[in-house]
Amino acid sequence: DAGITQSPRHKVTETGTPVTLRCHQTENHRYMYWYRQDPGHGLRLIHYSYGVKDTDKGEVSDGYSVSRSKTEDFLLTLESATSSQTSVYFCAISFSGSVETQYFGPGTRLLVL
Amino acid sequence: ILNVEQSPQSLHVQEGDSTNFTCSFPSSNFYALHWYRWETAKSPEALFVMTLNGDEKKKGRISATLNTKEGYSYLYIKGSQPEDSATYLCAFRAGANNLFFGTGTRLTVIP
Repeated sequence: DAGITQSPRHKVTETGTPVTLRCHQTENHRYMYWYRQDPGHGLRLIHYSYGVKDTDKGEVSDGYSVSRSKTEDFLLTLESATSSQTSVYFCAISFSGSVETQYFGPGTRLLVL
Repeated sequence: ILNVEQSPQSLHVQEGDSTNFTCSFPSSNFYALHWYRWETAKSPEALFVMTLNGDEKKKGRISATLNTKEGYSYLYIKGSQPEDSATYLCAFRAGANNLFFGTGTRLTVIP
């Protein structure tokens, strides 16, 4: 299994509070991704990173920001959580961004009340 | 946002039956097509990545084919076993970085 961990694994928070999710990898892969998974939707890309301090938006980036200050960590921040951000969040990594397989972390279940 | 469709949404088969399902994707700007297997309470696990029209991949009893000209891929499972029960996701890559996922086919194999 790829060495990917996510923390926390579960979180309950209130509307309007900031939330930060962490993805940590031990594989030294260049690319890291944040997805959300909701019923009736496939996994949807929020943001991705192609190197330290290099990030770009995915298809559902509104309301989210990311940071990557070192290769192994990719942080996803909800500046002011809303109920529509209740979801399961998956981090993924890949060695390169071309046809390489993405390997997924265990997921973080977030509930915004 | 690109439309990736999978059918059927779900199916039940008897142990020992063979089955297949479909992933449809845009036929233009093709870069790669990925298949993942996703068991409940786990994270998606990579099965195949295919890049060339006519590609066929095989892993044990699971195989996949690719037609980039008409925009579809088939996943086949031969002699289904209860441990094959999972959601099978396909993902289309139109460029270097973004994967667009379908909503998956949920397979249940009845012992």
